[in-house]
Amino acid sequence: DTGVSQDPRHKITKRGQNVTFRCDPISEHNRLYWYRQTLGQGPEFLTYFQNEAQLEKSRLLSDRFSAERPKGSFSTLEIQRTEQGDSAMYLCASSLEAGPQHFGDGTRLSIL
Amino acid sequence: AQSVTQLGSHVSVSEGALVLLRCNYSSSVPPYLFWYVQYPNQGLQLLLKYTSAATLVKGINGFEAEFKKSETSFHLTKPSAHMSDAAEYFCAVSDRNYQLIWGAGTKLIIKP
Repeated sequence: DTGVSQDPRHKITKRGQNVTFRCDPISEHNRLYWYRQTLGQGPEFLTYFQNEAQLEKSRLLSDRFSAERPKGSFSTLEIQRTEQGDSAMYLCASSLEAGPQHFGDGTRLSIL
Repeated sequence: AQSVTQLGSHVSVSEGALVLLRCNYSSSVPPYLFWYVQYPNQGLQLLLKYTSAATLVKGINGFEAEFKKSETSFHLTKPSAHMSDAAEYFCAVSDRNYQLIWGAGTKLIIKP
């Protein structure tokens, strides 16, 4: 499968715990995006990378969120001290610089 | 600033009937426009894209969309709805950095 891969598909955790999600983009894609999506809403932009450089972060992204793409390939999104409001689907997408974004199936986070 | 408006959070059609999902955009530059489909608990799949070539764009699964600059619209159509078309559909416009600005989505319901 050469599509975007996200792991895990589902994550259930207690409030206050840290969680980390992984995204493996399509191999030749230099851009990687993270989005958050809640039920009945469109994707909400969080951040994106071009190669290993994080070029933009949403103002909505609190200090508890951090993303990395250390070698310009896979990326991780970490949420520290999770809160109830963090419950959502976290989507990763990749693209060539001027191409359409291709999405993974997402990681659904549930905070107990 | 660019924005996307999708008219109707829910659209219901009978199986075999015409599907019309509306999308209007605002953009100060010639836009790139996209339609994505999302099935439950999955990521978003690209249906079709407009990138300033032909104004009538054909996509997957029998969908097509027409770019009308004078109306700032990019409505999605399909001549005959199938039960398998039931999903949520998102329209998006790309900004100068090829980042996507999303509509709120339209849930398509197919009546047997």
